[in-house]
Amino acid sequence: EIVLTQSPGTLSLSPGERATLSCRASQSVSSSYLAWFHQKPGQPPRLLIYAASSRATGIPDRFSGSGSGSGTDFTLTISRLEPEDFAMYYCHHYGSSPKTFGQGTKVEIK
Amino acid sequence: EVQLVESGGVVVQPGGSLRLSCAASGFSFEDYTMSWVRQAPGKGLEWVSLIRWDGFSTYYAASVKGRFTISRDNSKNSLYLQMNSLRTEDTALYYCAKAIRDFDLWSATDYWGQGTLVTVSS
Repeated sequence: EIVLTQSPGTLSLSPGERATLSCRASQSVSSSYLAWFHQKPGQPPRLLIYAASSRATGIPDRFSGSGSGSGTDFTLTISRLEPEDFAMYYCHHYGSSPKTFGQGTKVEIK
Repeated sequence: EVQLVESGGVVVQPGGSLRLSCAASGFSFEDYTMSWVRQAPGKGLEWVSLIRWDGFSTYYAASVKGRFTISRDNSKNSLYLQMNSLRTEDTALYYCAKAIRDFDLWSATDYWGQGTLVTVSS
């Protein structure tokens, strides 16, 4: 099983600031199979990024994803935080069974 | 417009059984892998199971294997999760989710329902 570890646990930032979220895999993950979701209270998760760097339909370009050559380190960057971006963020490996999620990073208003 | 509507969540005693349903519309259901993902109250996301578009392949998380069975009826645009031998740790909001790409077994999920709540308690 691929274990995904997200850091930091909580990110306290102000609107307009840049957010950098990390996701580290316990073994190499093909970039083709790494996604990012965000989730607001009382709502289902929403797909932001798939295949490590492809934005899902309707996702603004302030969201970007990247992966390292090692296949174990992935990053979600939000270039300028908008009020609606304050939420929980999960990375997700979906290339094999079992699919796994990271434990989440909470982006909160400072 | 893609819609996924889960139903069937109730309060059930440990050891009991339950069948969840997910009604799909707005896309060619028979062409897409479908998944169940759950979220315990106040906790993170846990993948539960997936089924190939034609129903010929299924996969399960270790925590539910042997107790849960995923199935689908493409003629009814419906996904199901039969849950047996329920445990208190199965208490969660259960979401169904659609693959982003057709005829792709290992695909990200782009649409999720609102979820149905299963509570296992005596």
